Amino acid sequence: AQKVTQAQTEISVVEKEDVTLDCVYETRDTTYYLFWYKQPPSGELVFLIRRNSFDEQNEISGRYSWNFQKSTSSFNFTITASQVVDSAVYFCALCQGNTDKLIFGTGTRLQVFP
Amino acid sequence: EAGVTQFPSHSVIEKGQTVTLRCDPISGHDNLYWYRRVMGKEIKFLLHFVKESKQDESGMPNNRFLAERTGGTYSTLKVQPAELEDSGVYFCASSRGRSGLNTQYFGPGTRLTVL
Repeated sequence: AQKVTQAQTEISVVEKEDVTLDCVYETRDTTYYLFWYKQPPSGELVFLIRRNSFDEQNEISGRYSWNFQKSTSSFNFTITASQVVDSAVYFCALCQGNTDKLIFGTGTRLQVFP
Repeated sequence: EAGVTQFPSHSVIEKGQTVTLRCDPISGHDNLYWYRRVMGKEIKFLLHFVKESKQDESGMPNNRFLAERTGGTYSTLKVQPAELEDSGVYFCASSRGRSGLNTQYFGPGTRLTVL
């Protein structure tokens, strides 16, 4: 069975705090892809990152970083020095290698207060 | 390059009525997907077109939902007759190629409310 779990429903932080959003996935496939999307208040889903199962290298993009660990089936997302504009719902998603559909977690709502 | 667009942004209809949602993918993207998020739950896959052909419609909830993509360009998703449980946000996405190798880019969604 394939599944994505985002156990944190809502997180509130104050600006400049670091925050980590957790994502745990389940799949039997050896080839798969993991994604993070951001949904700001305007509603659209904005693509943030894609990783494939053979590349466990962590990635950093500005204040964003992602920690992919196959041993714990996790693909966590950290925002460093959070800003009010980071307030959004963040979705983690899985795509198994032999399919085209994304399997989403339930999302984590992040609120960053000034 | 224009992103994925969806129309309308909001639709409020009464139970039993018909609604048609439209999605215009990114130009050149052969793959088009429909997803739905019912209140508070995860975003769920509905179906996938490759050009004008339905590649996977395993997520379509029932035969009240009909998706088309004539000519392989824009797509429509018709709900007829609408039921209360159809309320939610309907997202469309498109990608150049298939599988997770190709990122799916999403539109802003259509919020459907069935009263």
